[in-house]
Amino acid sequence: GAVVSQHPSWVICKSGTSVKIECRSLDFQATTMFWYRQFPKQSLMLMATSNEGSKATYEQGVEKDKFLINHASLTLSTLTVTSAHPEDSSFYICSARDPGNEQFFGPGTRLTVL
Amino acid sequence: GENVEQHPSTLSVQEGDSAVIKCTYSDSASNYFPWYKQELGKRPQLIIDIRSNVGEKKDQRIAVTLNKTAKHFSLHITETQPEDSAVYFCAAGYSSASKIIFGSGTRLSIRP
Repeated sequence: GAVVSQHPSWVICKSGTSVKIECRSLDFQATTMFWYRQFPKQSLMLMATSNEGSKATYEQGVEKDKFLINHASLTLSTLTVTSAHPEDSSFYICSARDPGNEQFFGPGTRLTVL
Repeated sequence: GENVEQHPSTLSVQEGDSAVIKCTYSDSASNYFPWYKQELGKRPQLIIDIRSNVGEKKDQRIAVTLNKTAKHFSLHITETQPEDSAVYFCAAGYSSASKIIFGSGTRLSIRP
C-alpha cells in the first residue's frame, strides 16, 4: 500500500516557540493532504485540508494564523504550530490522498509543549 | 457540517463472542463510511469501508451494515480474539477522496 511518513515522530518545545511538522507521501503524489489533531483518549479532529499549490481550507474553530499549513509540492505538506502553548500538546496526524482517491495516514507526531 | 456519533464508548466482550459498534451521521449527502482500528500511539488503520450503494459488506470476521434512510451504520466483529482489542473509529464523508469526520471512538477489550 501507499506509504505516508511524518517527521518528527515526537517533539518537545518550550512555550512560545514554533514547531514544524512534515507529512510526506513516499511513493505517490498527493494533491490533497489532511491534518488531524488527537488529544489523549479522544477522537481525531480534522483541522484542515491541504491542497497543493493553494491555500489550505480550515475547519471551523481552527485558527489559521496559529496553525500554518504549506503544501508546496505533491509529496510534502507542512504544519507549523506557531507560538505553541501547553494546550497545543497533542498527537498530530496527517493523511494523504493517493491518485486512486484512497487516504493513507501518517504515523503521527507527538507534540509536547512545556 | 457532518456530525458523527458513536456508541458505546467502551465495550468489553468475552473472547469468541461478537462485538457491535454503532454510529449515526447527520449529513444525508455522505456516501462513504470507513471504519478504523487504532492501537495506542499508532496511526489509524482502515479495516473496512462501505459506500452508500451497498447495504452490507463482509470481510472474514468483520462486517459493516449501512441504513441510509436512518443514517445508521454498524461494525460487527464475530469470533473476537485478543488482538481485536483496540480503539475503533467510524467516520463519514462524501467520498474516499473527501475529508472525513470521525466518530468519538469505542475502546474494545476482549476478555480471555
